[in-house]
Amino acid sequence: EDKVVQSPLSLVVHEGDTVTLNCSYEVTNFRSLLWYKQEKKAPTFLFMLTSSGIEKKSGRLSSILDKKELSSILNITATQTGDSAIYLCAVGAQGAQKLVFGQGTRLTINP
Amino acid sequence: DGGITQSPKYLFRKEGQNVTLSCEQNLNHDAMYWYRQDPGQGLRLIYYSQIVNDFQKGDIAEGYSVSREKKESFPLTVTSAQKNPTAFYLCASSARASGSVYEQYFGPGTRLTVT
Repeated sequence: EDKVVQSPLSLVVHEGDTVTLNCSYEVTNFRSLLWYKQEKKAPTFLFMLTSSGIEKKSGRLSSILDKKELSSILNITATQTGDSAIYLCAVGAQGAQKLVFGQGTRLTINP
Repeated sequence: DGGITQSPKYLFRKEGQNVTLSCEQNLNHDAMYWYRQDPGQGLRLIYYSQIVNDFQKGDIAEGYSVSREKKESFPLTVTSAQKNPTAFYLCASSARASGSVYEQYFGPGTRLTVT
């Protein structure tokens, strides 16, 4: 059975800190890994990763995939209170019509 | 304004009643999905549809039913057979049926409370 595990489940840091969120997966015929940010309601798309070792970057957020380790990290530098959210990781398999989601990491940034 | 709408935002029902959650998209996406979110459990797939008049069960389909009569609409019915219906329900869509290649876009969700 395909599985996605995120860690930590919860993280509290101070504004300005750098955080690293982890996502590991067990998926037959891996195709893609996606990161979403969920603040109050609708998850919003952040990144899709398909190739190992290639960093995707958007402002203070960046993510990289390691297919050898079956994992991905999401980095957020110089965190702001607006980064407080649940971060979801999802994985898709070749030929699959659906994504498998992890439990999410609840990130809280204190001023 | 393209997007996915879900209604209502909040829904309260008595135990034993069926309830239908609405999901509409104007993105011209082929595929649509229903997820359930409980605290600490991420998103779990209930049903998905790749094309009109076709849908498949997800991981937790028991106690739920769907229809896909129009491309834009994918309503979810929570039946009285669903043992723990209180949850946050999210609808999503993606451009093509291969959800692993195209990102999914989410609606704002419906919070259902059954007492």
